[in-house]
Amino acid sequence: GQNIDQPTEMTATEGAIVQINCTYQTSGFNGLFWYQQHAGEAPTFLSYNVLDGLEEKGRFSSFLSRSKGYSYLLLKELQMKDSASYLCAVRPVTGGGNKLTFGTGTQLKVEL
Amino acid sequence: NAGVTQTPKFRVLKTGQSMTLLCAQDMNHEYMYWYRQDPGMGLRLIHYSVGEGTTAKGEVPDGYNVSRLKKQNFLLGLESAAPSQTSVYFCASSSSGRQNEQFFGPGTRLTVL
Repeated sequence: GQNIDQPTEMTATEGAIVQINCTYQTSGFNGLFWYQQHAGEAPTFLSYNVLDGLEEKGRFSSFLSRSKGYSYLLLKELQMKDSASYLCAVRPVTGGGNKLTFGTGTQLKVEL
Repeated sequence: NAGVTQTPKFRVLKTGQSMTLLCAQDMNHEYMYWYRQDPGMGLRLIHYSVGEGTTAKGEVPDGYNVSRLKKQNFLLGLESAAPSQTSVYFCASSSSGRQNEQFFGPGTRLTVL
């Protein structure tokens, strides 16, 4: 089976750095994705990790440790527009179709 | 390119009524998916398709049927709607490469009374 855990809510200050953690237990592993979802909108892709280490993309970075079943999304220089839900999703090895199993998401609130 | 589009955006049904949600993508993607999103539950896969004429069950398929007669379209049907099917439904598509992300449509907000 699949189990993905993320904190439900986080609050951070504009201009600061925040780290959103994700732990997973899945039947096989074939990559981890992070998505951003603003209220009332569709999820949009942020990052993909399949090997251990850090992937950096502008203000956003994502880290993966496969041996620990752990990932985090790091957001730097926070802006008010970063207030959104951040979804961690794992692609298991079993089954076809590039299916994803999603966590319940972390609601991030950025304050002044 | 419009990406992934969904029709309708909102719908209210009475218990027992039927309806079809339409998803269309113009990116020539092989794979398409239907999810539902409920508070505290995250996105859950209902059905998916790996190509024209093929469909498969996801995590929560009961009460839904799907069809993919054309590569660009993926239809989700509710034969007899129930209040438990009140949710936001998202369609997504992706190409077949391993690391290719899923692109999501804007969602359909469905209420069943």
